[in-house]
Amino acid sequence: GENVEQHPSTLSVQEGDSAVIKCTYSDSASNYFPWYKQELGKRPQLIIDIRSNVGEKKDQRIAVTLNKTAKHFSLHITETQPEDSAVYFCAATNNNDMRFGAGTRLTVKP
Amino acid sequence: DSGVTQTPKHLITATGQRVTLRCSPRSGDLSVYWYQQSLDQGLQFLIQYYNGEERAKGNILERFSAQQFPDLHSELNLSSLELGDSALYFCASNRGVGTGELFFGEGSRLTVL
Repeated sequence: GENVEQHPSTLSVQEGDSAVIKCTYSDSASNYFPWYKQELGKRPQLIIDIRSNVGEKKDQRIAVTLNKTAKHFSLHITETQPEDSAVYFCAATNNNDMRFGAGTRLTVKP
Repeated sequence: DSGVTQTPKHLITATGQRVTLRCSPRSGDLSVYWYQQSLDQGLQFLIQYYNGEERAKGNILERFSAQQFPDLHSELNLSSLELGDSALYFCASNRGVGTGELFFGEGSRLTVL
């Protein structure tokens, strides 16, 4: 099955700085790559996603890039704010099971 | 509110016991996924059902089983419980194959003493 690796496991940035989280996947048939944000004690919620026919997608302060050849995708958060502090998960699916990375704990210091 | 309902929210039981976790997907969703999240850990995929049929299986122990019923709700059965089974169990749903975003329930927190 699909194997998703995510780095770094923890990330601490100053408010206003950018944050980048990277993921790699193993199954070349994977075609959908979402990113989820999980706040403490809450359920994961989708923040942005990208399909394999697109190389980049942006939504306000967040963006995702996909390199199908290298089988990696990244989340970029610009102008970080304290409320961005959470655990972020990447995922990949080939239309069957959805596998998640191990997560990145992002801390934004005021 | 995601529209996915999980019960119970909290459950405390003893080693060796058996519990059943229940999930009602969003209205119209045919796929149900189960994930296990241990303390400060990631989301471990357990199993996926689509319209009553098992679609994919992940790292699900033999002591665990699941099914999806004709009304599309799903149950995850955990038996011969061990201390290490203590975790937050999430159910998620979406419309079906290749339809993208998963909608997660609030989770069922299982504590095994």
